[in-house]
Amino acid sequence: QVQLVQSGTEVKKPGASVKVSCKASGYTFPIYGISWVRQAPGHGLEWMGWVSAYNGNTNYVQKFKGRVTMTTDKSTSTAYMELRSLTADDTAVYYCARDSGWGAYWGQGSLVIVSS
Amino acid sequence: QPVLTQPPSVSGAPGQRVTISCTGGGSNIGAGHDVHWYQQLPGTAPKLLIYTNNNRPSGVPDRFSGSKSDTSASLAITGLQAEDEADYYCQSYESSVSGWVFGGGTKVTVL
Repeated sequence: QVQLVQSGTEVKKPGASVKVSCKASGYTFPIYGISWVRQAPGHGLEWMGWVSAYNGNTNYVQKFKGRVTMTTDKSTSTAYMELRSLTADDTAVYYCARDSGWGAYWGQGSLVIVSS
Repeated sequence: QPVLTQPPSVSGAPGQRVTISCTGGGSNIGAGHDVHWYQQLPGTAPKLLIYTNNNRPSGVPDRFSGSKSDTSASLAITGLQAEDEADYYCQSYESSVSGWVFGGGTKVTVL
């Protein structure tokens, strides 16, 4: 069965960086891209961008450009999302989702807390 | 502000039918892009409920149905059950960003 398993909770200070991982299993990894979606406490879902698991092409939402890097490692079927220059507004649960134009499968979420 | 507009909340008694609207514009739903729906229970990841406007993944009860017309879409829940109490999100594709856009979410309360 398809599974996406994400890394755990991270606590970071303002200005730091965080790298979240998303390990896929149960399907041929390069066939589908991975989208990253975040959800701030008490708020809705926000799409951050997409990375191709085939060739590493990316598409980032404008507000994150210059601050986010999404990558994949085909050898381990793992996707990564790194977010830099963190502020308190980046405190959220970050989800990866297998992208077919929609998210049929989601990771369990990774909580990132930014606090001094 | 979310690109797609949903009502913040809807409610209904057990057994009733409720609908959730999702209104977009000419660069997403109105451009012919499909609409997908997710259910999110507290503290859990979103779960796909409806894909490509009106298709249910395996395991999703047929009490859930979707429709799309022009620049909007709807999710209907018939025979409302206590376990349906959750947040529901619509999602489509936005041409201007070449990616996903979501509605702000609708909280369904079972009275």
